[in-house]
Amino acid sequence: DAGVIQSPRHEVTEMGQEVTLRCKPISGHDYLFWYRQTMMRGLELLIYFNNNVPIDDSGMPEDRFSAKMPNASFSTLKIQPSEPRDSAVYFCASKQRGGAGELFFGEGSRLTVL
Amino acid sequence: GENVEQHPSTLSVQEGDSAVIKCTYSDSASNYFPWYKQELGKGPQLIIDIRSNVGEKKDQRIAVTLNKTAKHFSLHITETQPEDSAVYFCAAWGRPRGSQGNLIFGKGTKLSVKP
Repeated sequence: DAGVIQSPRHEVTEMGQEVTLRCKPISGHDYLFWYRQTMMRGLELLIYFNNNVPIDDSGMPEDRFSAKMPNASFSTLKIQPSEPRDSAVYFCASKQRGGAGELFFGEGSRLTVL
Repeated sequence: GENVEQHPSTLSVQEGDSAVIKCTYSDSASNYFPWYKQELGKGPQLIIDIRSNVGEKKDQRIAVTLNKTAKHFSLHITETQPEDSAVYFCAAWGRPRGSQGNLIFGKGTKLSVKP
């Protein structure tokens, strides 16, 4: 398997624009996670899905952020409108089953909002 | 909910020396403690993990120890090499807000191994 695939790898946009980040999890993995990484706050869990259903979105910062998982092989994280404080690296990760176990991370999407 | 503290935030060692990174956690119900390595421009990757029913686990040059009574765990890297230079994250499996549970990460340690 190619691992978790994220796109775009880099995104530079202006404040107020809509940003969509994409993720393809490892085939057969039932869980998908979106994390945000910044110097100040480290790795923060934003939301996770189990079998395409959002389970915990309490980490989503505010209504400007939304995430969807229309099928087992695709998820999006959308920011509308974007703000400079959203600049960060966003990681998608997947896991095979419930409970404690290994997370497989993608290479991340580095977002810069000017 | 779970809170994970990690120290130090930066660590510089000479090639061949040992490196130790320490973490504490708050939730006594946590039972799984992985360590991830993040190289520049990449996502974190699991290097070793330990469950609460053991006190130590070793894999070649890396080892992890767990003290459940004190609620702390440590990563030990022996005979460090320049390719060990990376950011290392500890994590604990917790159940915040009555959820199914998820990984809570420490803030990371930037390890630099000088040749």
